[in-house]
This record gives sequence, structure tokens and C-alpha cells, in this order.
Amino acid sequence: QSVLTQPPSVSGAPGQRVTISCAGSSSNFASGYDVHWYQQLPGTAPKLLIFGNTNRPSGVPDRFSGSRSGTSASLAITGLRTEDEADYYCQSYDSSLSDYVFGTGTKVTVL
Amino acid sequence: QVQLQQWGEGLLKPSETLSLTCAVYGGSFRSYYWSWIRQPPGKGLEWIGEINYSGSTDYNSALKSRVTISVDTSKNQVFLRLNSVTAADTAVYYCARFLTMVRGVDPYFDSWGQGTLVTVSS
Repeated sequence: QSVLTQPPSVSGAPGQRVTISCAGSSSNFASGYDVHWYQQLPGTAPKLLIFGNTNRPSGVPDRFSGSRSGTSASLAITGLRTEDEADYYCQSYDSSLSDYVFGTGTKVTVL
Repeated sequence: QVQLQQWGEGLLKPSETLSLTCAVYGGSFRSYYWSWIRQPPGKGLEWIGEINYSGSTDYNSALKSRVTISVDTSKNQVFLRLNSVTAADTAVYYCARFLTMVRGVDPYFDSWGQGTLVTVSS
């Protein structure tokens, strides 16, 4: 059972904005550890989407943005497109486990 | 542009040892840490462990007793061994580059291999 909890699914129509939450605790986000986000298209390996809470790697559209505050983090997707249908995972470090941890994952569906 | 190519035995029996290889092409092998991550069918991601070029390792606390990660710097390869496998170890296993020295940013995985499905079944 992961220490980072995400909603199982979120959905939106093309062009809409959706957000994915990642709930942590005092031993990860509240301790100052960064959140990173990954996108996993069906049948493929995960791809880095956001690193260091808010930073986008080269090539990632600015429709994707991240934030972290207190014990939670979130990923926002604006101008939703059909190609954004994928699973999304948050990731951080947990000091009580001394492990790198992933969130439970969220499936984004474009209606 | 770094590329990670992985391979290994895809079907094991309970109690056998899982062995996977990850070859790194392009970039500087010695400048980074390298990790293994797994994903059971239909489930989420789990970090297994990491290693650097000198062999310094760190492992997931839940798997530490059964896992060994090693490197061959002459071939730019990373290896995963997981002992005494059970059906619960059935998963797609990924190798990934683990960035640990980006100024002010905690470590993250920036490049991934294609994944190798390992099934444990009697």
C-alpha cells in the first residue's frame, strides 16, 4: 500500500482542465521532499512529465503543470487532448520508510 | 540521448532467481545512478533499488533481503537479481536512469527502458 494516495480516475472533455491530486504526509511532502510526475501511455514505459514540483523536461507541453503544498501535490492538465489519455503517477521520497515511493496512480479519460 | 535496453528470462517457477540485464547506450554511464522499478499487471509502480558506477547500492526496505543490483562498467550494464521469487513478483520490470545530482531537486527517473515482463508460475 502506497504512502502517496491518488484518485483512481479523473475525466474531462477535450479542451477542459483536469487536476490530479497526490496526498502525502509529514514524512514526504511536509518534510520538504520534492514531487515528480510520470505519464504512462497504454502498453508503454512511464515518461517523466514534471520534476522538482513544477519543472517540465524539454518537449513536455506547457499544458502540464505541477504544484506542491503542505502534505499534498497536484498535477494540472489544461486544454485536455485525446492523446492525454494515460495513467499518471506521482513520486517522492519517504523518510519514515527510507524509500523512494510512487503514488497509487490515476487514469485520465478524455470523454 | 541515452537509451536503455533490457532483457532477461520471462518465465520462472516459484523459488527460482530472477535475473535481468539493462544495457545503457549513449550519455555518461559513470555520471548517474541506475534503478530498477517494477509494475505488477494492472497495478502501480514500485521502486526496487539503485546503484552507481562504483557499486554503491540502496534497496527498497521490503525487498532488501532478496535483491542484488550490480554493474559492469566495462559494458555499461546494470543487473538485477531477485531470489526466491513467488507469484507476487510477477510484474513488468523497468530499468531507469536515476538523476540524483540536479541542483536543488530531489532524485527522479528521467529515462526508462522498454520493460520486461517476468511471470512466476508453477
